[in-house]
Amino acid sequence: EAGVTQSPTHLIKTRGQQATLRCSPISGHTSVYWYQQALGLGLQFLLWYDEGEERNRGNFPPRFSGRQFPNYSSELNVNALELEDSALYLCASSDGTGYYEQYFGPGTRLTVT
Amino acid sequence: AQSVTQLDSHVSVSEGTPVLLRCNYSSSYSPSLFWYVQHPNKGLQLLLKYTSAATLVKGINGFEAEFKKSETSFHLTKPSAHMSDAAEYFCVVSEGSNDMRFGAGTRLTVKP
Repeated sequence: EAGVTQSPTHLIKTRGQQATLRCSPISGHTSVYWYQQALGLGLQFLLWYDEGEERNRGNFPPRFSGRQFPNYSSELNVNALELEDSALYLCASSDGTGYYEQYFGPGTRLTVT
Repeated sequence: AQSVTQLDSHVSVSEGTPVLLRCNYSSSYSPSLFWYVQHPNKGLQLLLKYTSAATLVKGINGFEAEFKKSETSFHLTKPSAHMSDAAEYFCVVSEGSNDMRFGAGTRLTVKP
């Protein structure tokens, strides 16, 4: 069974640009979560999508947004990039039942210069 | 709301010696508890989970954790460390509402 996949692996942008990160969940999983892991700040919850709807978002500004497609894949968009947006962005998926354990992808390393 | 505290930011052991990574949690309900491992520049991998069945939970790669309600703890142990165990470990608590709270992480170093 294929795991969670993310693309691209690395992304280099300049300040003010927009970044788009993509995630494909495990087959059968309907929930997708996005996390930011910046150096020294731990894992910060960004967004949760389920069945195509945004269910919850963390304490991040509106320039962080995303969507979930009918096939349950997801896209994270970061507008007006700032230097402090440089981080590893992790996507996770779950099947929304049972004990909600999440399965993580390898991440996208975003560097803003 | 639930929360989790990992008591050590860094643990260093010698190869072949036991590993103990400590985690305390706070929850108003009967929580689900998880341990994840993250190797450098990789995503998180689920090591094990507690879901109100047996209090001693066995995971992958020889790790296990014991749920102690009276101590609100969920410490991760392994009898004998291997070099490949060197990584960051995260304790996670969930009250079953798709709201997972991650600890700050414990970096495990294994010396030869």
